[in-house]
Amino acid sequence: ETGVTQTPRHLVMGMTNKKSLKCEQHLGHNAMYWYKQSAKKPLELMFVYNFKEQTENNSVPSRFSPECPNSSHLFLHLHTLQPEDSALYLCASSPIGREGYEQYFGPGTRLTVT
Amino acid sequence: AQTVTQSQPEMSVQEAETVTLSCTYDTSESDYYLFWYKQPPSRQMILVIRQEAYKQQNATENRFSVNFQKAAKSFSLKISDSQLGDAAMYFCAYRSPTLSQGGSEKLVFGKGTKLTVNP
Repeated sequence: ETGVTQTPRHLVMGMTNKKSLKCEQHLGHNAMYWYKQSAKKPLELMFVYNFKEQTENNSVPSRFSPECPNSSHLFLHLHTLQPEDSALYLCASSPIGREGYEQYFGPGTRLTVT
Repeated sequence: AQTVTQSQPEMSVQEAETVTLSCTYDTSESDYYLFWYKQPPSRQMILVIRQEAYKQQNATENRFSVNFQKAAKSFSLKISDSQLGDAAMYFCAYRSPTLSQGGSEKLVFGKGTKLTVNP
């Protein structure tokens, strides 16, 4: 396990439900990311946070709402999702800087929308 | 915009043998970073190896090495003495040196190659 944790690991929700995904990093990083991983598609970057400020929203539908209360925690609030939103949602973190530090990933939340 | 292409959706290798996974990318930048990530069935994505474009020497990490051909925009991963634990999805990723607003780094991923290791 890396220093990035995600809960829950599995989530099944109906289209009218509201749920939240949580990510926590213990690495002292200042940037956090949400990715969507669907079968047979490249990882899709959804949101980027830098020092708690959102710096990237990759044209994500408003039914996905991120929240970053501090540099160690990241949430993804979900409401009125569609079946095509079923996917693995990965959280990642990285230090900020000029050098090419890699991103560290969490184990992901497997989301199924029924 | 940068793109990353992994032309092999699936590969297989016999245990103890060597396998090479292909990756090509498209960019107009001269300085950048390339990564290979491994995602085992447990889903935790971990870094395998990284390469700085300004370095001519190919990166190596134990049984993992890369063949970086900058002019050809090719970045293949060689796994020597394959082990059962190497079975996973392997993703090639590109990172621009240009920091986006706020300084975070965006990764562009390929679609991945599923590696099977046969005993």
